[in-house]
Amino acid sequence: KQEVTQIPAALSVPEGENLVLNCSFTDSAIYNLQWFRQDPGKGLTSLLLIQSSQREQTSGRLNASLDKSSGRSTLYIAASQPGDSATYLCAVPQGGSEKLVFGKGTKLTVNP
Amino acid sequence: GAGVSQTPSNKVTEKGKYVELRCDPISGHTALYWYRQSLGQGPEFLIYFQGTGAADDSGLPNDRFFAVRPEGSVSTLKIQRTERGDSAVYLCASSMGAGTGELFFGEGSRLTVL
Repeated sequence: KQEVTQIPAALSVPEGENLVLNCSFTDSAIYNLQWFRQDPGKGLTSLLLIQSSQREQTSGRLNASLDKSSGRSTLYIAASQPGDSATYLCAVPQGGSEKLVFGKGTKLTVNP
Repeated sequence: GAGVSQTPSNKVTEKGKYVELRCDPISGHTALYWYRQSLGQGPEFLIYFQGTGAADDSGLPNDRFFAVRPEGSVSTLKIQRTERGDSAVYLCASSMGAGTGELFFGEGSRLTVL
C-alpha cells in the first residue's frame, strides 16, 4: 500500500528566503508525481506534474525534483513571497491505478 | 466551464438525512474523481469515472455512498443516512483521461452533519 509522508508539517520563513519542501513515498512503482497548493477553505491547485521518466519540472519560481529509486521528491521555492503562504501537498498514484495517495501537506507561512 | 464546478459549496444536514453533491467537470475531460478531505489531512480517494462508468470505486467507505455520471459529464455523489463522521470537504477533480496525469480540482463541497 502506498504511503506518502511530507516533512516538515509546518514551516515559517521570512520573505525572500529560498526553501525546500520534502515528500517521500513507499512504493516507487509510480508513473508520475504531482504537487498541489491549497489555500485555506479552497480546493487544490495543480503546481507541477512530474512524469516517472523525468527528474525535474520547473514553473516560474518553483522547481520539483523526483528520485523514484529512493522514493523522494522535493519542491524548491525560490525567493519566497507572502502570497506563497498555503499548504503544499504531494500526491502519487497507488500502484498503476488512477487513485492518488496524498501526503498530509506542509503548511508554509512566508512573513513579510 | 473554465474550471471544475461543485455545488453546493456548503451543506449542513441532520444525522440520518440524504445528501447529494454535484460536480461539473472541465469541458472535454473524460475522467472524473471524487475525494474526501478531513481537517488537517490530505484528500482520500473515493471513486473514479472514465466516461459514464465507475472504473474504480474502491475508496467508497460503505454502501451508504454512491456516485453516478449518467452522461459522462456531470457527476453526483449521493450519501444516504448521513452520520456525523461523514462531515468533511468533498472534492471533485477531472482530467483529460486515464493516464494523462494532471488533475484539476474544484473548490469542494463542505458537508456538516449535525
